[in-house]
Amino acid sequence: KNEVEQSPQNLTAQEGEFITINCSYSVGISALHWLQQHPGGGIVSLFMLSSGKKKHGRLIATINIQEKHSSLHITASHPRDSAVYICAVRGMDSNYQLIWGAGTKLIIKP
Amino acid sequence: EAEVAQSPRYKITEKSQAVAFWCDPISGHATLYWYRQILGQGPELLVQFQDESVVDDSQLPKDRFSAERLKGVDSTLKIQPAELGDSAMYLCASSTGPGNEQFFGPGTRLTVL
Repeated sequence: KNEVEQSPQNLTAQEGEFITINCSYSVGISALHWLQQHPGGGIVSLFMLSSGKKKHGRLIATINIQEKHSSLHITASHPRDSAVYICAVRGMDSNYQLIWGAGTKLIIKP
Repeated sequence: EAEVAQSPRYKITEKSQAVAFWCDPISGHATLYWYRQILGQGPELLVQFQDESVVDDSQLPKDRFSAERLKGVDSTLKIQPAELGDSAMYLCASSTGPGNEQFFGPGTRLTVL
C-alpha cells in the first residue's frame, strides 16, 4: 500500500463544476503539499499546509491531521485548470523528503 | 518573479551517449533537488544538495549518474552512458532549506533512442 493515496486517478468534468480531489496518507507528517503539473510541463506548488485550510483564488485546500486526509477543491472550474494535481507529504523523519502521490489527472471540458 | 531555470528543455540522445542537464536555483536557495519523473508516475528524488554538499543520493544510480554543485549555486546532472530506461522528465527544485517549500523548474524531457 502506498503511503500517499490520491483519488480519483482520473477526473473529467464540465466547465463550471466544483471539483474535489482527495489525498490520504498513512505516515506522520510535518506538512502536506498540493502541486500542479501541466502536460509536458514542470511542477507548480499550489499550497503547503500543516493544518486547517488555505485559499488562493478559486483553489481551496483543507487538511484533517487526525484523519490523515486532505482535499483540494476547485470552484467554477475552467478548461485551463486541466492538469495533473499531485499530493505530496513531508514525513517527520530527519531528511524532510517528500513522499509523492501518483497524481490525479483532471480534464475540464468547455 | 524568481524562478528555477533548467536547460535544455528537451534532449534526444542515443543509448550509450552521455547527456548533461543544468539547473540554476532561485537565488539564495541553499537546498537543491534533482528528481526523475517517469510518465504517469510521481517524481523520484535522485539527489539532494545542501549548499555544495550531497545530503542524500541514495536513489541515484551511481554507476551511470553523477551530480555536482561545486560552488553551491547551480548544479549539473550527468548520465553516462544513457540507457533506454532513462527516458523521463528530469526536474530540478530548490528551497531555502530542507523541509521548506520547494520551487520547481520547467524540467528537461529526455528521450533515449
